[in-house]
Amino acid sequence: DGGITQSPKYLFRKEGQNVTLSCEQNLNHDAMYWYRQDPGQGLRLIYYSQIVNDFQKGDIAEGYSVSREKKESFPLTVTSAQKNPTAFYLCASSTPGQGERRGYTFGSGTRLTVV
Amino acid sequence: ELKVEQNPLFLSMQEGKNYTIYCNYSTTSDRLYWYRQDPGKSLESLFVLLSNGAVKQEGRLMASLDTKARLSTLHITAAVHDLSATYFCAVVYLRVADKLIFGTGTRLQVFP
Repeated sequence: DGGITQSPKYLFRKEGQNVTLSCEQNLNHDAMYWYRQDPGQGLRLIYYSQIVNDFQKGDIAEGYSVSREKKESFPLTVTSAQKNPTAFYLCASSTPGQGERRGYTFGSGTRLTVV
Repeated sequence: ELKVEQNPLFLSMQEGKNYTIYCNYSTTSDRLYWYRQDPGKSLESLFVLLSNGAVKQEGRLMASLDTKARLSTLHITAAVHDLSATYFCAVVYLRVADKLIFGTGTRLQVFP
C-alpha cells in the first residue's frame, strides 16, 4: 500500500545539535510539506516543495532546512538555530487532483524532544 | 495573510447530544478540509469541501461550506464516545502553491 513513512518516531536532540527527520512517500505525489505541532495547538507550516529541487519557506522556517533531491523524499533538518524545537513534526504530500478528492496525506509523525 | 479560526477550542459533550464546530477563514479560498486527530497520532482526512453550499456526511458527522460567509461547520449528531478526538479545519491559501493553513483545532470529549 502507498503511503508516507516518517522516521524516527521519537527523536532526542541535545543542545546545539543538528538532527534530520526523514519523510519518504511512494504515492508519486508532486508536493510535500512539513508541519510543526505544539501541544494543544494547530499545525504550522515550516517548508513546502511542489517539485524536485525546489522548495519554499512556510510560516516558521527559521532554524530549519530542507532538501528535495528526489520526488519521494523531503528530509527536514532541525538546526541548532532553532531554539525551541520540542514538538510533533508531521510530513504531508499531495498532488493536483488528489488533493481535491481526498485531501492531503499525512505521515505518522516524529516527536522531537530536546534533552 | 490567511487566518483560520475555530470555535470552540474545547467541547465536552454528553453522549447522544448534538453540537456544531465552526471554522472561519479570512480570505478567499476554494478548498476546505476537515481532519481528525487522535492523541499522539497523525491526521485522518474526514471531508473535502470544494464549492459554496457543499455538504458532506459520514456517519454522525456532517460538514458544510459557505464560501460567501467564509464559514464551514462540522455538525455532530447524537455523539458517541468514539468521536472523542481533536478536529481541525484547514484551508488552501494559494491554489498554485497548495499551501494548507490549519485552524487551532477543537478538542472534543464525549462522556456517558
